[in-house]
Amino acid sequence: QKEVEQDPGPLSVPEGAIVSLNCTYSNSAFQYFMWYRQYSRKGPELLMYTYSSGNKEDGRFTAQVDKSSKYISLFIRDSQPSDSATYLCAMGARGYSTLTFGKGTMLLVSP
Amino acid sequence: DTAVSQTPKYLVTQMGNDKSIKCEQNLGHDTMYWYKQDSKKFLKIMFSYNNKELIINETVPNRFSPKSPDKAHLNLHINSLELGDSAVYFCASSRRTTGDSQDTQYFGPGTRLTVL
Repeated sequence: QKEVEQDPGPLSVPEGAIVSLNCTYSNSAFQYFMWYRQYSRKGPELLMYTYSSGNKEDGRFTAQVDKSSKYISLFIRDSQPSDSATYLCAMGARGYSTLTFGKGTMLLVSP
Repeated sequence: DTAVSQTPKYLVTQMGNDKSIKCEQNLGHDTMYWYKQDSKKFLKIMFSYNNKELIINETVPNRFSPKSPDKAHLNLHINSLELGDSAVYFCASSRRTTGDSQDTQYFGPGTRLTVL
């Protein structure tokens, strides 16, 4: 079993839809959970950062972490064509120098 | 102001050649990384340097040699390039290595390497 599993998609939705992106993981030491957005031919950029379990909201984006289920989600409300990108989840543990990334989910929002 | 920059953006070369990719960050961060992203978009850590010291060296062929002349720069030299080295290489930096909120990694724009 891979440490971080993420459905590669593509996920196609119409503009205005609510999008749900998910990752599961196996390493219970992970405490830091991030979502990166990567536009085509660009570097990943940090979108959301969550420590341990709980929710975090930033504008149209909500990140959820359920450590008991080893499951994290990113919700995008009122999705826009400009949200079309690949979304990568990433996780880290205290004392570890590296992040473990999911393979990314490609999201396509059509006007 | 570009936070993490890489040169070149594109690199096309023949098998067997030696090439270098340069990375610079102006964020004052202590830690820099090299990642490889393959055709399936999987982002995998290769190396990590903290204050010019190598702290992570994942299972990478020794044809790949990172060099950090100072903490703002981390270059990647690749000897005897192979077809399988074709990928996008990303440089990243973070404030420090321990896992807390300051460890957000900031990525460069990537270098697309094509080996013919």
